[in-house]
Amino acid sequence: GQQLNQSPQSMFIQEGEDVSMNCTSSSIFNTWLWYKQDPGEGPVLLIALYKAGELTSNGRLTAQFGITRKDSFLNISASIPSDVGIYFCAGMNYGGSQGNLIFGKGTKLSVKP
Amino acid sequence: DAGITQSPRHKVTETGTPVTLRCHQTENHRYMYWYRQDPGHGLRLIHYSYGVKDTDKGEVSDGYSVSRSKTEDFLLTLESATSSQTSVYFCAISESQGALRGYTFGSGTRLTVV
Repeated sequence: GQQLNQSPQSMFIQEGEDVSMNCTSSSIFNTWLWYKQDPGEGPVLLIALYKAGELTSNGRLTAQFGITRKDSFLNISASIPSDVGIYFCAGMNYGGSQGNLIFGKGTKLSVKP
Repeated sequence: DAGITQSPRHKVTETGTPVTLRCHQTENHRYMYWYRQDPGHGLRLIHYSYGVKDTDKGEVSDGYSVSRSKTEDFLLTLESATSSQTSVYFCAISESQGALRGYTFGSGTRLTVV
């Protein structure tokens, strides 16, 4: 089946640093989504991307839909302690029979004040 | 999260006992999903439902069953819990299979099987 490779698995950074993480796939997707999971909570949608090459921002977060439709990246600028959590990428295609949102394994972000 | 509630939030149970987790939504969404989250594995789909009494298996369905008798409720049952089913379980909902905003997740149920 389809799989997403998300990297890095974990990051330890200093407050104020920029963060970059990415997701790659062997298959193309029509939509890329980025979620954040705070400790003890469920994932919450951060950014949704719908077109190849699209670049979308949400505050200090910027995400891009790769031109090949097989990858996406998420950048966080000037990190703060509340950025701590697990970030998941997810790819989606329309149609299909087994629930069509495929998740990466997550990037765990730790921020040192 | 608003519109989706999981119960219980935490449960400890003994090996071999049956366990049922409940997901309740007030959004009238057609699709409901059960995921488990384990370190190093991310989110893995157990079962999903595309309507009342309509369910299908996901990636890791062995040892689990589901039921959906009402639009708002999706139950996950472990018939005979094993230690390998210790995990955090998340329910998610979506209004359609290709919903542009993806899925909305509940806050999770932490299950420990001893």
